[in-house]
Formats: sequence, C-alpha cells, structure tokens
Amino acid sequence: SQQGEEDPQALSIQEGENATMNCSYKTSINNLQWYRQNSGRGLVHLILIRSNEREKHSGRLRVTLDTSKKSSSLLITASRAADTASYFCATSTGGGNKLTFGTGTQLKVEL
Amino acid sequence: NAGVTQTPKFQVLKTGQSMTLQCAQDMNHEYMSWYRQDPGMGLRLIHYSVGAGITDQGEVPNGYNVSRSTTEDFPLRLLSAAPSQTSVYFCASSYARDRSYEQYFGPGTRLTVT
Repeated sequence: SQQGEEDPQALSIQEGENATMNCSYKTSINNLQWYRQNSGRGLVHLILIRSNEREKHSGRLRVTLDTSKKSSSLLITASRAADTASYFCATSTGGGNKLTFGTGTQLKVEL
Repeated sequence: NAGVTQTPKFQVLKTGQSMTLQCAQDMNHEYMSWYRQDPGMGLRLIHYSVGAGITDQGEVPNGYNVSRSTTEDFPLRLLSAAPSQTSVYFCASSYARDRSYEQYFGPGTRLTVT
C-alpha cells in the first residue's frame, strides 16, 4: 500500500511562478525524501528531511515537514520550463534505506 | 562513474517466458533495490538487499527472484512472465547505515508481457 499521497495529482503553472506540492503519509518516519522524474527517465533525488527537522532549503527548493500532521510540502520557487516533471515523496521507516513512494505530482511549467 | 546501469532498456516477453533484468552500480553502495512503476501508482518495492549475500522481500515480491553475489550486481529474475508484470522496472542503490540515504536510480527497463 502507498505510504505517501501527493496533492495535487497535476499542477500547471506559468514560468516564474512558485509551485507547491504536498505529501501526506500514514506512519512514523525516519526521514522523508523528494525525487524528480523526467518523462521516461529514472528518478533523481532532490532533498531529504529528517524527522527531527522542520524545514530545509536547497537552491530554489524548500521542504517543510510537520510530523504531527504527517505531512510535507515541496516548494519550487521561480519555476522554469525545465522543472516540468513528476515529483514524488518517499518515506523511510524503521532501518533507513527502504523507501515507500507516493503516487506523485505531475508538474507542467509553461512558457 | 557510470552510476547505476540497467539492461535491457526495452523487452517484450510472451506469457510464461523467463528472463533476467540486469542492474549494476559502481559506487560501492551496500544497499540495492528493485522497484516497479505502474501508471498512477508511484513506485513499489519488489526486493532489496543490504549487502552481498543478503536479500529480502519488499511490497510486491511474488513472481520475482533476486540474488546478490557481489556488491556491484543485483539481477532481478522473472520466473514465468505474466501480463500483470508489464511495467517499468527501476533499480536503485545507496549507502546504508547512518550515511546519506539518497538513492541513485538507473534509467529503467520497460517490460511488456503479451
């Protein structure tokens, strides 16, 4: 069963706008990760946030984690056409490396 | 470094045939795993390994076998292909045990079973 559920399923914005994607999960976690997948390609790791962290930044990415609500959000600021991709959250429980992925958000950034 | 490589990129099988999907990594990662990706369902874990000689089942292991005889290689065997195994298969690797858990993914194998 899926641990993470992303919202929205699809998002279309104009270049330069911010994109926000949300992830909810069901059980306690060690960390939560976000991955990007371009069409027909493998996944690429974007950012990891541990269960004792509340916010993390990496370039134009900002991730928040609310363990009391079992939710996370990924914000991409000043989006570009090259950000068009599917974005997945993945949670790690128990001993580290096993990941459970959400269903993903398809982001389209239009010129 | 080549990272994580997978072969073949595409494969068509008939129901009942068997085959092996190859996965190799050159980053000396302890942890390797196989996922399948179906439309609208994200990735689901099939099998994983925390080191050579150690494998375990994931969420959807039925119909698949794995072995890990070396750190570098983690092949996935389909014993008797079924149309329900039509999917895109991804192999991933990462360090284990208190290091970064960032997983590196291969480019995928698109499998069709007719």
